[in-house]
Amino acid sequence: GAVVSQHPSRVICKSGTSVKIECRSLDFQATTMFWYRQFPKQSLMLMATSNEGSKATYEQGVEKDKFLINHASLTLSTLTVTSAHPEDSSFYICSARPSGTGGTGELFFGEGSRLTVL
Amino acid sequence: GENVEQHPSTLSVQEGDSAVIKCTYSDSASNYFPWYKQELGKRPQLIIDIRSNVGEKKDQRIAVTLNKTAKHFSLHITETQPEDSAVYFCAAIRAQKLVFGQGTRLTINP
Repeated sequence: GAVVSQHPSRVICKSGTSVKIECRSLDFQATTMFWYRQFPKQSLMLMATSNEGSKATYEQGVEKDKFLINHASLTLSTLTVTSAHPEDSSFYICSARPSGTGGTGELFFGEGSRLTVL
Repeated sequence: GENVEQHPSTLSVQEGDSAVIKCTYSDSASNYFPWYKQELGKRPQLIIDIRSNVGEKKDQRIAVTLNKTAKHFSLHITETQPEDSAVYFCAAIRAQKLVFGQGTRLTINP
């Protein structure tokens, strides 16, 4: 199956600093990638849709200036948590669907990145 | 937007018995319904999916049923084993976006 790699898997940072998380599709191209956030014992909540070559679209309630998304190529999307605070501590997971599989093709998930803000 | 409700939030069954998890969705235009298994700290893993033009799908001990009229779908696991213990999520796709249910923590008691 298709592989999505996410890095780093774990990151600890100080409050007020920024953290970048990378999501790569290793063996397929993805025009669109999705970023989710999962708090402990909760579901995955869609944060934003990352579109290659254009601006990301954010879900209601997600601050676009705080969660910067860049999708510079067909295999890489990055999520930067700016001025992180302890309440941003969470498990961030990206997912991608191979281009050309249609809007309902299987989504492949990265391993997730656990962010801890001190 | 789409809203997916999942029940129960926790489920405990004896090994060998069956487990059923139910979900409802709000958007009648949703047309793809995957189920995921997630172990602690890991990524969700697709275990089975169903499209809106199909009423039932089975893969060994796992089956999913879909009732489009009622807008609900269910996951059925038969002959449960200890390794089935995990959190299960249903989801629905609308306009390419995958929306998850709240999750069910399934515990298989030996």
